[in-house]
Amino acid sequence: NAGVMQNPRHLVRRRGQEARLRCSPMKGHSHVYWYRQLPEEGLKFMVYLQKENIIDESGMPKERFSAEFPKEGPSILRIQQVVRGDSAAYFCASSRDSFISPLHFGNGTRLTVT
Amino acid sequence: GEDVEQSLFLSVREGDSSVINCTYTDSSSTYLYWYKQEPGAGLQLLTYIFSNMDMKQDQRLTVLLNKKDKHLSLRIADTQTGDSAIYFCAETNTGFQKLVFGTGTRLLVSP
Repeated sequence: NAGVMQNPRHLVRRRGQEARLRCSPMKGHSHVYWYRQLPEEGLKFMVYLQKENIIDESGMPKERFSAEFPKEGPSILRIQQVVRGDSAAYFCASSRDSFISPLHFGNGTRLTVT
Repeated sequence: GEDVEQSLFLSVREGDSSVINCTYTDSSSTYLYWYKQEPGAGLQLLTYIFSNMDMKQDQRLTVLLNKKDKHLSLRIADTQTGDSAIYFCAETNTGFQKLVFGTGTRLLVSP
């Protein structure tokens, strides 16, 4: 049973470009969460999605960031017009249920903005 | 808002016990977690405890929860060099898994 798969592992973008981060949840999991980890900090919640629905996006910046989890295919976190401050590790997690079952994290995408 | 705090570093010798501490501010926390992060990797769930429990033991790991003081600890018995990693404490009080993480404790185990 494959774990949470994220790609790419590393992504380099110039300021002003777009970054697309992909996440395939574990088999049987329909709840996806995105977290961001800035250097030397803990993870911060960004957004929680179920299939085709955004449940909570309270941790996601209002500008330039968007997330989706379509009926078919992986969840996508999209950052438009990236800036240096977006450089971070972005982790995706999935769970079977919304409450009881624990989160399983992917290995993350490390975004570097030059 | 909620806050979770941890000490930054802990250094122990192989074979000793390690105790990693965590304090949190949210009195309505329902689940508290310990995650392990190795370099360049994601977070691995080690264990979790429900807020109505005082203690949970799982092989070499013992979690103690003092709800009155909002203090959580993780004890690793017979610490091995492979235990060297960053350990994150996290809590949630919502109906879904919107976790609030601490900044992590870097555990270094020397032979």
